[in-house]
Amino acid sequence: DARVTQTPRHKVTEMGQEVTMRCQPILGHNTVFWYRQTMMQGLELLAYFRNRAPLDDSGMPKDRFSAEMPDATLATLKIQPSEPRDSAVYFCASGWGAGETQYFGPGTRLLVL
Amino acid sequence: GDSVTQMEGPVTLSEEAFLTINCTYTATGYPSLFWYVQYPGEGLQLLLKATKADDKGSNKGFEATYRKETTSFHLEKGSVQVSDSAVYFCALLIYNQGGKLIFGQGTELSVKP
Repeated sequence: DARVTQTPRHKVTEMGQEVTMRCQPILGHNTVFWYRQTMMQGLELLAYFRNRAPLDDSGMPKDRFSAEMPDATLATLKIQPSEPRDSAVYFCASGWGAGETQYFGPGTRLLVL
Repeated sequence: GDSVTQMEGPVTLSEEAFLTINCTYTATGYPSLFWYVQYPGEGLQLLLKATKADDKGSNKGFEATYRKETTSFHLEKGSVQVSDSAVYFCALLIYNQGGKLIFGQGTELSVKP
């Protein structure tokens, strides 16, 4: 049963520290999305990639967030420096093409103190 | 801009009750419509989808019909179970924006025995 995997599942860190979240999309999927979920804002799209190229990262705070796909099996989302307002659940999702179903990972629950 | 509006929760029902969760959308193109479900501590899972007007998506006893004239995609189930307790998200996908999903704010459903 193919699934999107995310690591770590939970992360507690102090303000100012670097945080790196990793995602392994389903094998064969060519599109990867990063979402952030908070009680106040709900689900927000941060960035997405197709065939490893960034298509849209307009949802990301550019000064501290960065997203990459070093290869087809790994996507990373990095926050440097982290701030308490970054506390949220970060989801990765993958899919095939522009119109297909997105499959979500279990999320990384981040708490910045 | 494109948006999705869901009825506010939480919705509390008794087991075997009829469920309706309202969802309306605003879109300039011809979106596909989705319902995702999120169980506690998990990522989102696709529940059902419809890709064009008058299509009906169905899965696990849930149904939703794509109504272009009323720009709606209401979720229904004839008899809910305790195991249906979760948060339900309505979403639209715009093809010409690279497959971005735009989510509603989510509706929490609690089913009591």
